[in-house]
Formats: sequence, C-alpha cells, structure tokens
Amino acid sequence: DTGVSQNPRHKITKRGQNVTFRCDPISEHNRLYWYRQTLGQGPEFLTYFQNEAQLEKSRLLSDRFSAERPKGSFSTLEIQRTEQGDSAMYLCASSPGTSGGRGTQYFGPGTRLLVL
Amino acid sequence: AQSVTQLGSHVSVSEGALVLLRCNYSSSVPPYLFWYVQYPNQGLQLLLKYTSAATLVKGINGFEAEFKKSETSFHLTKPSAHMSDAAEYFCAVGGYQKVTFGIGTKLQVIP
Repeated sequence: DTGVSQNPRHKITKRGQNVTFRCDPISEHNRLYWYRQTLGQGPEFLTYFQNEAQLEKSRLLSDRFSAERPKGSFSTLEIQRTEQGDSAMYLCASSPGTSGGRGTQYFGPGTRLLVL
Repeated sequence: AQSVTQLGSHVSVSEGALVLLRCNYSSSVPPYLFWYVQYPNQGLQLLLKYTSAATLVKGINGFEAEFKKSETSFHLTKPSAHMSDAAEYFCAVGGYQKVTFGIGTKLQVIP
C-alpha cells in the first residue's frame, strides 16, 4: 500500500492555458474524491467517483473543469482556460468499499496550482 | 444537508498545556464525524473518527474527541501539547455520499 499519489506536486501556468492533474488512489479503493483548498479554508468538495462513475459534481466545478476516472483506477482533473482564481491546492482522496461519506478518506499530498 | 463550524481559526497554547479545538456540526442524518490534521504542504491525515460505536473516541498522537449529541459538538482535546502538534486541524462530517469539512483551526504551540 503506497498511499494516494498525485502528480505533479506543483504547477505554474499562465492564464488561459489548460492543465491536467493526475491522481492514483490506493489500489482497490472504490471511491475517489477531488477537493480544492484555498488559503485559510478547508477542502471544498469538487466531485467524486464510485469506480468509473462520476456520481456528483459541485457547483464549484464550472464547465471549464472536467474529471475522469477511466476503468475505475486513476483519475484526471483538467482545467481549461485557467484563471487566476483557479490558483489553489487540489487534493485527491480515496476510500474503500461502499461506505460513502462515512468511509475514512485517505488523502494524497495535493497538487499546488499557481496561475499567473 | 450537513455543515461544520470550527470556532477559532487560530489557537495558541503553551507546550504542556491542554489543547481544546472546538467543532459543532449540523447533519440531517446520523453523522459520522472526523478530525484530520494537515502539516504544511502535505495532504490531510486522519486523527480519529466517530462512528456511533462510542461517544469518546481516541485517536493517534494522544488526541481524543467526545461526541455530544445534545450539543451537536465534537471537540478535539489533548491533555498536554507537544511542539510537533503545531499544524492545522480540520473537523468534518460525513453523510451518506460525501464529507463536508470545516475551515480549519491552526494550532500554534509556544515553547
């Protein structure tokens, strides 16, 4: 069990560019979550997957954001036409079984995005 | 609907003193409650979790929390603060589908 990994750890981009982040959950974890965390705030829910199905998306997830989890393994989060307001830490977490929001979530180290 | 309120965005304690971090929750279903800790530039790590089995929950690093339904509270305590406890602490409530986090409390430990 190597834990949840996220790549890259840091990303600096110019406004208007597209970026893609990857999350590799703990193997055999059914649920995968994406959160956004800005300075002085707790993690804000963006979306989650049960296996390959995306079951819920927050209204924070504008149409510039898209997430996928092909084959129910790793997941990608893409942001198109980045804006300065997208600068944040993007956290990924996974949890086992079908406990839903009651299951313990295991977090990755996050990807810190800076949009110039 | 579910939400969490953490009272005090910053708490300072002296090394060896009691740590008390406050959390109140709101949930339309019987809640599962969590405390996570985050060190700088790292992800969140679970400290402890309430699952209705016992109202007093013991976690890692000497932390514990007590679930009080009448007060809708789940405060985190540690009898004696250590320098290594300096971090940000997040209370969270889990419903059937997802978890909602509070804004966090940054704990400073003064030598």
